[in-house]
Amino acid sequence: AQSVTQLDSQVPVFEEAPVELRCNYSSSVSVYLFWYVQYPNQGLQLLLKYLSGSTLVESINGFEAEFNKSQTSFHLRKPSVHISDTAEYFCAVRSGGSNYKLTFGKGTLLTVNP
Amino acid sequence: KAGVTQTPRYLIKTRGQQVTLSCSPISGHRSVSWYQQTPGQGLQFLFEYFSETQRNKGNFPGRFSGRQFSNSRSEMNVSTLELGDSALYLCASSFGRDVRTPEAFFGQGTRLTVV
Repeated sequence: AQSVTQLDSQVPVFEEAPVELRCNYSSSVSVYLFWYVQYPNQGLQLLLKYLSGSTLVESINGFEAEFNKSQTSFHLRKPSVHISDTAEYFCAVRSGGSNYKLTFGKGTLLTVNP
Repeated sequence: KAGVTQTPRYLIKTRGQQVTLSCSPISGHRSVSWYQQTPGQGLQFLFEYFSETQRNKGNFPGRFSGRQFSNSRSEMNVSTLELGDSALYLCASSFGRDVRTPEAFFGQGTRLTVV
């Protein structure tokens, strides 16, 4: 069985500060890894994904995540956050093949303060 | 192209009633998955349909059911509603087969309140 642990339920930061949201996963097979963001009263938006290849993946809005197989981690980072980054962030894992079930972490609420 | 469309956005039902939620996936996507999101349990997988067949199922009681039509649109039904079924129900759309694009795209969700 797969599981995802997001180590921080809430992360408050000041605007323009760096941030790291931590995610560890457990799986006995090769996986795909994702970060999703959810704004209030909205669905989930795909932020970035790791499928294979380069362990560092980037999104168009400045976030990046690094896949670390030995530590089974997929932490999300941003060097300088904006007020508009305030949202809940979910890490998710999926095995390959025909099983399209996503297993999510509990989420991390990122609050960016002025 | 259009994203994942879920209808209705909000729904209020009484205990014991049944409800049907609808999801239209992204054009060309053949896999539709459903998730329940609650503050206490987080995001939990209900089931996944691919080409009108249920391919995967989560650990929910039989009151939760779904189906998929030939145009890939999907419906989810909950019978004999309980207060604990109050949640945001999210639909996710994927190609369902191409390993180069295994990611899922979500709709805005249907907020179900059971009173």
